[in-house]
Amino acid sequence: DGGITQSPKYLFRKEGQNVTLSCEQNLNHDAMYWYRQDPGQGLRLIYYSQIVNDFQKGDIAEGYSVSREKKESFPLTVTSAQKNPTAFYLCASTQWREAFFGQGTRLTVV
Amino acid sequence: DAKTTQPPSMDCAEGRAANLPCNHSTISGNEYVYWYRQIHSQGPQYIIHGLKNNETNEMASLIITEDRKSSTLILPHATLRDTAVYYCIVRVGYNTDKLIFGTGTRLQVFP
Repeated sequence: DGGITQSPKYLFRKEGQNVTLSCEQNLNHDAMYWYRQDPGQGLRLIYYSQIVNDFQKGDIAEGYSVSREKKESFPLTVTSAQKNPTAFYLCASTQWREAFFGQGTRLTVV
Repeated sequence: DAKTTQPPSMDCAEGRAANLPCNHSTISGNEYVYWYRQIHSQGPQYIIHGLKNNETNEMASLIITEDRKSSTLILPHATLRDTAVYYCIVRVGYNTDKLIFGTGTRLQVFP
């Protein structure tokens, strides 16, 4: 079955360490997105990519980086520059009017 | 910025219809209205979408006003499992669109 896979589901990291969240899709979708969600809040766009080897900043890109070397993969790196990285991170992909979401990664920085 | 406005929360009795409003007064002629819902700490789930005609599927109905500046998602017989945050978004559907979410409506269905 086609879908989006985010891994891991839970991630713990020490403060000051970079960490990379994985997002893989086998839907052949061109566009992919990363969102951050804090408790009781909506989804805020971090980065998005409309095509391989191209990506744009969303509303809260500071402290994050991405790459899009392959159509099916859009990893997100949370860097040490991100002041408050503990959050729920969601990945999505779209193709025309179709949009799918992963099940999320909960990152906790201790 | 999000192009939609929704009430932050609503309550509904189990078995009754839940009517969730959404304002999208700046919608363009080629933008669709989409509804998604997110159950706690899961990825959003697609519910329904429409352009200008009312739409119905097995999950819900979507009523879009004639001027397209607002819409209502109707869950005809709400169950406890419908408790979730419901997001209304507008987009054309091109890959160049950003998929932007507003704050959504937290629907609480009570027994």
